[in-house]
Amino acid sequence: DAKTTQPTSMDCAEGRAANLPCNHSTISGNEYVYWYRQIHSQGPQYIIHGLKNNETNEMASLIITEDRKSSTLILPHATLRDTAVYYCIVRAPNSSYKLIFGSGTRLLVRP
Amino acid sequence: ETGVTQSPTHLIKTRGQQVTLRCSSQSGHNTVSWYQQALGQGPQFIFQYYREEENGRGNFPPRFSGLQFPNYSSELNVNALELDDSALYLCASSLGVSQGNTIYFGEGSWLTVV
Repeated sequence: DAKTTQPTSMDCAEGRAANLPCNHSTISGNEYVYWYRQIHSQGPQYIIHGLKNNETNEMASLIITEDRKSSTLILPHATLRDTAVYYCIVRAPNSSYKLIFGSGTRLLVRP
Repeated sequence: ETGVTQSPTHLIKTRGQQVTLRCSSQSGHNTVSWYQQALGQGPQFIFQYYREEENGRGNFPPRFSGLQFPNYSSELNVNALELDDSALYLCASSLGVSQGNTIYFGEGSWLTVV
């Protein structure tokens, strides 16, 4: 029941920006967009989240369109260690606010 | 490092047995949730505990049960293990149940059922 759509895979060159798109056209006004990544055999790592405004932290930037129907995660200078599966998630609007993971985007950073 | 610790990291059980997985949440976090991740798939929500009460459950049968203790650590119990229960079990913690809070995951417990 994932509410997001992401490309299955992407690649980028080391040192370049990685731009990962996500479509969440059915998002409602009070639902947050979260990004996690998962490196093989490890637990998901929190990256960033936002509601309406663009957000930036030490790991990445999150750009949310004005209509909130899509967003882009930007890794400004990708390194080989950024190779992972990236999940774009809209939290479920109920009391538990669970995270509903889709299939994610497998990002390969090339040397 | 997220401060969420899980044990054991790996274990093997026989079909029909019972298993208990443990989780220590990040310091100060009063909410713990559990997820199951089968090979090649994204994590699936099992249930969540907030202040020792279950306050949300995913599409898992009753043989999946849990507990949260006064120190906010948690256990996941699975009875009558089936081969399909083989998966990575993830614990996640957060402060409260606000939709805008941050959820941190542990490294998981790998369960193999033979």
